[in-house]
Amino acid sequence: QKEVEQNSGPLSVPEGAIASLNCTYSDRGSQSFFWYRQYSGKSPELIMSIYSNGDKEDGRFTAQLNKASQYVSLLIRDSQPSDSATYLCAPLGGRLYFGRGTQLTVWP
Amino acid sequence: DAGITQSPRYKITETGRQVTLMCHQTWSHSYMFWYRQDLGHGLRLIYYSAAADITDKGEVPDGYVVSRSKTENFPLTLESATRSQTSVYFCASRTGDTEAFFGQGTRLTVV
Repeated sequence: QKEVEQNSGPLSVPEGAIASLNCTYSDRGSQSFFWYRQYSGKSPELIMSIYSNGDKEDGRFTAQLNKASQYVSLLIRDSQPSDSATYLCAPLGGRLYFGRGTQLTVWP
Repeated sequence: DAGITQSPRYKITETGRQVTLMCHQTWSHSYMFWYRQDLGHGLRLIYYSAAADITDKGEVPDGYVVSRSKTENFPLTLESATRSQTSVYFCASRTGDTEAFFGQGTRLTVV
């Protein structure tokens, strides 16, 4: 099993909907996670970090970390076409492995 | 310029040739990483380095060599390029407990 697994998608939602992206991990020692967004042809960029169990909100984005179930999720409310991208999660750790990413398309 | 830069941005090389991709960061981040990205595979870690003169293999190290004599530089060498190494390569850096920052990527084509 890879250290990080993501629901491979692709995920397609209409504008204004909630997009839910999930990531499961195998290392119970992982304490913190990062969500990156990658537009086509561009490099990944950080959009959210979460360092403790529970929810963290930043504008339209909410990251959720559940250590007991070993999953981390990203909710995007009021999705916009500009949110169309691939989303990657990664735990804080030495080797920095990524899941395959989830490709999100928001259609008008 | 501050940040992390990769060179070249685009490279076409022939099978069997040696090619080196450069990565330079100005933050003195201790960790540096090399990834390749192919359709259907996401970002796959090739090699990483925790500090100067300390490197370790990632998921797909075969056919690649790295070195890190200086903190700011982390070159990736393909000793004898093969068509299967055609890919987009990303370099990244971070401190011990922060997010990673990525270079712009190098699109490598092996013909």
